[in-house]
Amino acid sequence: DAEITQSPRHKITETGRQVTLACHQTWNHNNMFWYRQDLGHGLRLIHYSYGVQDTNKGEVSDGYSVSRSNTEDLPLTLESAASSQTSVYFCASSETGQETQYFGPGTRLLVL
Amino acid sequence: QQQVKQSPQSLIVQKGGISIINCAYENTAFDYFPWYQQFPGKGPALLIAIRPDVSEKKEGRFTISFNKSAKQFSLHIMDSQPGDSATYFCAASRGSSNTGKLIFGQGTTLQVKP
Repeated sequence: DAEITQSPRHKITETGRQVTLACHQTWNHNNMFWYRQDLGHGLRLIHYSYGVQDTNKGEVSDGYSVSRSNTEDLPLTLESAASSQTSVYFCASSETGQETQYFGPGTRLLVL
Repeated sequence: QQQVKQSPQSLIVQKGGISIINCAYENTAFDYFPWYQQFPGKGPALLIAIRPDVSEKKEGRFTISFNKSAKQFSLHIMDSQPGDSATYFCAASRGSSNTGKLIFGQGTTLQVKP
């Protein structure tokens, strides 16, 4: 079955370290999204991509970067982790022309 | 600026009761309004969605009511069950422009007591 996976599921890191969160989908969807979920804020869009080599900034993109070298993967990199980036991160994908987004299981990140 | 405001933040309902969650939006260009359901430790999943050309959409025990003039929409869960206990997010997007970007509300944690 097609699916979307995220790794790691849990991560503890230190302030200032570079961290990369992986997202892999097997639906062959063109659209991929990264969100962070924080209590009281719902889900906020970090970055998104509409296809290979395409990346765009979302609402809360400062301190994050993404790259899209193939259809299946959209890794999210925290260049220099900060305590404010402690959160649960969700990756999602959707097909072009379809609004429904399919979410991964999330990565819980703690920055000490 | 929060473009989609959701209330209440938490809700406790007895089994068999009606759960009601409300959302208000600001951008009149929004034309797609989904509700996502999230269980603990899982990612959100689409529950039901509506477009502004209809005022109500029902799927089983779940109904969306939409008031375009008031820029509000709500989720009604009839005959609420303990298995409905989850966090619910409303969202909005400019679906017709095919951007696919969702603006989420803050979320409502629903607890249905047996």
